[in-house]
Amino acid sequence: AQSVAQPEDQVNVAEGNPLTVKCTYSVSGNPYLFWYVQYPNRGLQFLLKYITGDNLVKGSYGFEAEFNKSQTSFHLKKPSALVSDSALYFCAVSRYSSASKIIFGSGTRLSIRP
Amino acid sequence: DVKVTQSSRYLVKRTGEKVFLECVQDMDHENMFWYRQDPGLGLRLIYFSYDVKMKEKGDIPEGYSVSREKKERFSLILESASTNQTSMYLCASSLVGVNTEAFFGQGTRLTVV
Repeated sequence: AQSVAQPEDQVNVAEGNPLTVKCTYSVSGNPYLFWYVQYPNRGLQFLLKYITGDNLVKGSYGFEAEFNKSQTSFHLKKPSALVSDSALYFCAVSRYSSASKIIFGSGTRLSIRP
Repeated sequence: DVKVTQSSRYLVKRTGEKVFLECVQDMDHENMFWYRQDPGLGLRLIYFSYDVKMKEKGDIPEGYSVSREKKERFSLILESASTNQTSMYLCASSLVGVNTEAFFGQGTRLTVV
């Protein structure tokens, strides 16, 4: 079975500091991994994805994610956090059967304090 | 600008009512999805559709059905609403392929009383 786990319910970071939101996955075959962000009372927005190639993927709003095959991880990172980055972040993996299905983690709430 | 539109932001229904949640996308996407979002549980897939009139059950289909008569429209139906179906419902669409990202609507917060 394919799955994705986000071990932290909440991450607190001071503005200007680097941030990391963790994600681990379990898939058979090649993983297709995604990060989404959800602002209050909104739907999810796509941030970035890993398909193949470079292990460091760059995305929207200055975010990047590092794919690590040996650790089966896909952590989201940003060098310098902004208060406006405060939101709910979801890691996701694409599960292939008759058509693509995207499976989401439980989410991590990121809180950036001024 | 790509768009997925859900017909209601907030909905309050009574137990036992038949409830329709509508979703329309303007991107000519083949795939459409219905997810349910609950605190601590993330997003759970209810149903998805990969073509008109085609559907597959997700992880939590019980108590729900779907309809896709046109490519751009995907409806979620609660046959007889119950209080445990109170939740945020998210519709999404995507192109075919395992490496394609999904585009989400703004969500419908359904309360069943």
